[in-house]
Amino acid sequence: ETGVTQTPRHLVMGMTNKKSLKCEQHLGHNAMYWYKQSAKKPLELMFVYNFKEQTENNSVPSRFSPECPNSSHLFLHLHTLQPEDSALYLCASSQRGDTGELFFGEGSRLTVL
Amino acid sequence: GQNIDQPTEMTATEGAIVQINCTYQTSGFNGLFWYQQHAGEAPTFLSYNVLDGLEEKGRFSSFLSRSKGYSYLLLKELQMKDSASYLCAVRDSNYQLIWGAGTKLIIKP
Repeated sequence: ETGVTQTPRHLVMGMTNKKSLKCEQHLGHNAMYWYKQSAKKPLELMFVYNFKEQTENNSVPSRFSPECPNSSHLFLHLHTLQPEDSALYLCASSQRGDTGELFFGEGSRLTVL
Repeated sequence: GQNIDQPTEMTATEGAIVQINCTYQTSGFNGLFWYQQHAGEAPTFLSYNVLDGLEEKGRFSSFLSRSKGYSYLLLKELQMKDSASYLCAVRDSNYQLIWGAGTKLIIKP
């Protein structure tokens, strides 16, 4: 139990579907992150929110849309995805946005058919 | 470009010692992190080095040489539960984390 909870743990969707990933942290942290993890590749930072403000968007395609309603919750809205978007999506939080020690959720395994 | 290199996979025997290396080329340096990730689980923080030298934490130790752009994670008295992937990450001058692809460690009885 890392204090960061992600739902759903597994998601299968077609390319025309719309779905959302949810992340909640119970650590009182001020920064939250979305990462993409593909097999045998480095973690790819997608989005960073610091005190609910988006501070990083690493050239992520617009079919991925983040939302951070408060410092404890983070969403990743998905629409018209491609098969190459199939991966493990990890949410993380940290006390501050200067990427100190990160606390990760267990991830949402996404499969796009 | 920025780059972190670590071996893709290593195998070691239960009870033995294993050293996982990490070399980096980044735009500036503000610390190096090691994370452990068991299959199907969240990565968890293991260690942080910002000054040269060895940091020991129980069976795990992490070493840093900033002049050589090099770190290693040393695991002693290996246990089966140490089978996992070990991720090296460097915080650059912009305080962004640059990640390696991870080293999968397989422990055999």
